[in-house]
Amino acid sequence: DSGVTQTPKHLITATGQRVTLRCSPRSGDLSVYWYQQSLDQGLQFLIHYYNGEERAKGNILERFSAQQFPDLHSELNLSSLELGDSALYFCASSPTGKGRNTEAFFGQGTRLTVV
Amino acid sequence: GQQVMQIPQYQHVQEGEDFTTYCNSSTTLSNIQWYKQRPGGHPVFLIQLVKSGEVKKQKRLTFQFGEAKKNSSLHITATQTTDVGTYFCAFSNDYKLSFGAGTTVTVRA
Repeated sequence: DSGVTQTPKHLITATGQRVTLRCSPRSGDLSVYWYQQSLDQGLQFLIHYYNGEERAKGNILERFSAQQFPDLHSELNLSSLELGDSALYFCASSPTGKGRNTEAFFGQGTRLTVV
Repeated sequence: GQQVMQIPQYQHVQEGEDFTTYCNSSTTLSNIQWYKQRPGGHPVFLIQLVKSGEVKKQKRLTFQFGEAKKNSSLHITATQTTDVGTYFCAFSNDYKLSFGAGTTVTVRA
């Protein structure tokens, strides 16, 4: 158990809909990263939050947004969903966002299926 | 931007044999991390290397960071069926934690 909690584990929704994925980081970790992993693909970095502030963006679509709340949990919002958005979405937490202690601990992921 | 290339993409290994997977960058990295993702699972942090020429061992796994800090390797000895999965290298830079495409390892018993 990594200590990172993601909900829901599975999500099936229709094209055009909007969903929210939730992540609770490990106790004490200030950083939350979001990744997308399509079938048999690598981990595509989406966005990083550190202590409530956005720190880095990767290949995140404009239809996607995220935030980190004062209690450090994070949400990833995906809107106007398309079939190609079907993937595993992971969040990971880390003690810091920069420097040495950047090892990331991943949640179990949310499997999103868009039909 | 900075990227890392992992080779090979797939590694088919006979149980008991050794193998090495590589992670290469065209630019100097401040650190390199290795993760393992079992089939159907999530990535699990294995190790971080930060020093030039650093070598770390975890049981049958040996991790190395190149002298120029542009490449890294993971060597597994006496492969077991529990070694099945995808091994990713990753690096942290300017608040991004970026991953290579991974080496997927299968083991023949």
